[in-house]
Amino acid sequence: GQQLNQSPQSMFIQEGEDVSMNCTSSSIFNTWLWYKQDPGEGPVLLIALYKAGELTSNGRLTAQFGITRKDSFLNISASIPSDVGIYFCVGQLGGSSNTGKLIFGQGTTLQVKP
Amino acid sequence: DTAVSQTPKYLVTQMGNDKSIKCEQNLGHDTMYWYKQDSKKFLKIMFSYNNKELIINETVPNRFSPKSPDKAHLNLHINSLELGDSAVYFCASSDRGLAQYFGPGTRLTVT
Repeated sequence: GQQLNQSPQSMFIQEGEDVSMNCTSSSIFNTWLWYKQDPGEGPVLLIALYKAGELTSNGRLTAQFGITRKDSFLNISASIPSDVGIYFCVGQLGGSSNTGKLIFGQGTTLQVKP
Repeated sequence: DTAVSQTPKYLVTQMGNDKSIKCEQNLGHDTMYWYKQDSKKFLKIMFSYNNKELIINETVPNRFSPKSPDKAHLNLHINSLELGDSAVYFCASSDRGLAQYFGPGTRLTVT
């Protein structure tokens, strides 16, 4: 089945540092999404990417949809303590038989030291 | 206003019992989903309904039965609960299969 390899698995950084995480897959996806999950909460959508090569920003967050459609990265600039959480890359398959089916990466746990 | 809500937030029950988790979305979305998150935080889709019709049914024991009475609700009924069913279950919804919005989760503990 489809799998996403997300790295790094965890990061422990100093407040103010920039962060980068990425996802790769052997499968082609029509959409890449990045979610953040806070403890005890459901994942929250951060950025959605719909076209190969697309680069999208949301505040301090920037994400790109890889040209090959098999990868994506997320950058967080000038991290702050509330950036703590688990970040998931998500690939979404196309086709009528896979409507909306999301494939989740293993997650990157981010800890920020004030 | 809560976009996707689930009840209960926590559910502790004994093996062999039958339990239900309810989900409601007020976003006007046409598709709803159930996900299971294991102890390692891995999220996997279980079911998807579009306009009350089942469209995704992953390899899930038939003890799990989703029911969608209308577009805004998708409930999950679990029969004969087992220890391995302990997990956090998330409901989600989307418009035309696009980006999904998740509920707060239901933590199920089977003892």
